[in-house]
Amino acid sequence: AAGVIQSPRHLIKEKRETATLKCYPIPRHDTVYWYQQGPGQDPQFLISFYEKMQSDKGSIPDRFSAQQFSDYHSELNMSSLELGDSALYFCASSYGEGGANVLTFGAGSRLTVL
Amino acid sequence: AQKVTQAQTEISVVEKEDVTLDCVYETRDTTYYLFWYKQPPSGELVFLIRRNSFDEQNEISGRYSWNFQKSTSSFNFTITASQVVDSAVYFCALSEEGSYIPTFGRGTSLIVHP
Repeated sequence: AAGVIQSPRHLIKEKRETATLKCYPIPRHDTVYWYQQGPGQDPQFLISFYEKMQSDKGSIPDRFSAQQFSDYHSELNMSSLELGDSALYFCASSYGEGGANVLTFGAGSRLTVL
Repeated sequence: AQKVTQAQTEISVVEKEDVTLDCVYETRDTTYYLFWYKQPPSGELVFLIRRNSFDEQNEISGRYSWNFQKSTSSFNFTITASQVVDSAVYFCALSEEGSYIPTFGRGTSLIVHP
């Protein structure tokens, strides 16, 4: 079965550069979530989209933005990168909104900022 | 606000030992959902189980079992006869019906030695 696809899997950037992460949800899943997991940390919720509209916002820095496109894929744009942005970024998808939804996670995109 | 506490940072066992991972949660909602996810060394988050707040029945799936007790706000996870392949970080998560974004605990790193 198709899973959540994230690209790139690994990314190395310099401070102050920009980066874009892509997420392709499971077909027919209409909700996408972005999480950031720092080294040895729990995943922290950044932002979510339902039917191409932003539905919830967590601890996403102002330097970051995201959107969900008409084909339901999502992109996380990160600008003015800082060393502290080095983390594993997860995208997850689900069908519909609601607390009962099981999120299916992608394999993650590992961002290293030098 | 919802909160998940996994007090055990790291557990080390020898193969075939039984091990229990603790999870304590806080929520004001009467309807909520609890999850366990596994994060193997490869990095992806793998869904293991979901329980809703109205179903306190314990669940067993092969060597895995879960003990949900509302009286103590706990949702503990037991692996029987642990195997090296069980080595991973295990996350407990909580989502409320009103705010459906799952909040994760800090995770417990389980190391199973041969």
